[in-house]
Amino acid sequence: DVKVTQSSRYLVKRTGEKVFLECVQDMDHENMFWYRQDPGLGLRLIYFSYDVKMKEKGDIPEGYSVSREKKERFSLILESASTNQTSMYLCASSPYAGYGYTFGSGTRLTVV
Amino acid sequence: QKEVEQNSGPLSVPEGAIASLNCTYSDRGSQSFFWYRQYSGKSPELIMFIYSNGDKEDGRFTAQLNKASQYVSLLIRDSQPSDSATYLCAGPNTGTASKLTFGTGTRLQVTL
Repeated sequence: DVKVTQSSRYLVKRTGEKVFLECVQDMDHENMFWYRQDPGLGLRLIYFSYDVKMKEKGDIPEGYSVSREKKERFSLILESASTNQTSMYLCASSPYAGYGYTFGSGTRLTVV
Repeated sequence: QKEVEQNSGPLSVPEGAIASLNCTYSDRGSQSFFWYRQYSGKSPELIMFIYSNGDKEDGRFTAQLNKASQYVSLLIRDSQPSDSATYLCAGPNTGTASKLTFGTGTRLQVTL
């Protein structure tokens, strides 16, 4: 089975801190994604990557950046954390276009 | 118009009944759809996918795709309390085939 591993299950950070969320997949998937999920708003795409060092903005990229230096790892960076970035963050991967995603277990981030 | 729409529910069905979850989509060219189940506090898990018009069965689950009417359904037969979860419908993004667009999910409650 494909495994998508997110480094932290719960995180608490202070306003203004730089925050790194890490995601690693073990099945050589081309595509990797970062979503946030908030009650009533569903899953919203922040960024995705279709190859090493390639990235595209999703629907809500403001305040975030990403890094994909190796195929298996996709990092989400909150440049200066704010309270409105308190959310569940979900990483996902898929092997190619038109295929379903496998999600990681999620990171619940609280910014205080 | 949202690309993928679902009724948020909750949908309440008694144990042993058939639960019917529906999703409509806007892009007539969409070819493939996915159903994810998400338990409270957990990440989405892929349970069904369907690529062609008609029905696809897997155990107690049946996915139905009607391209002419642009809707996708998930039927759960012999519903169990363990089926209580939020069900997310996803289809290909109109802009980039690598991305999926998710509905906001339908919450299903199976009552004893």
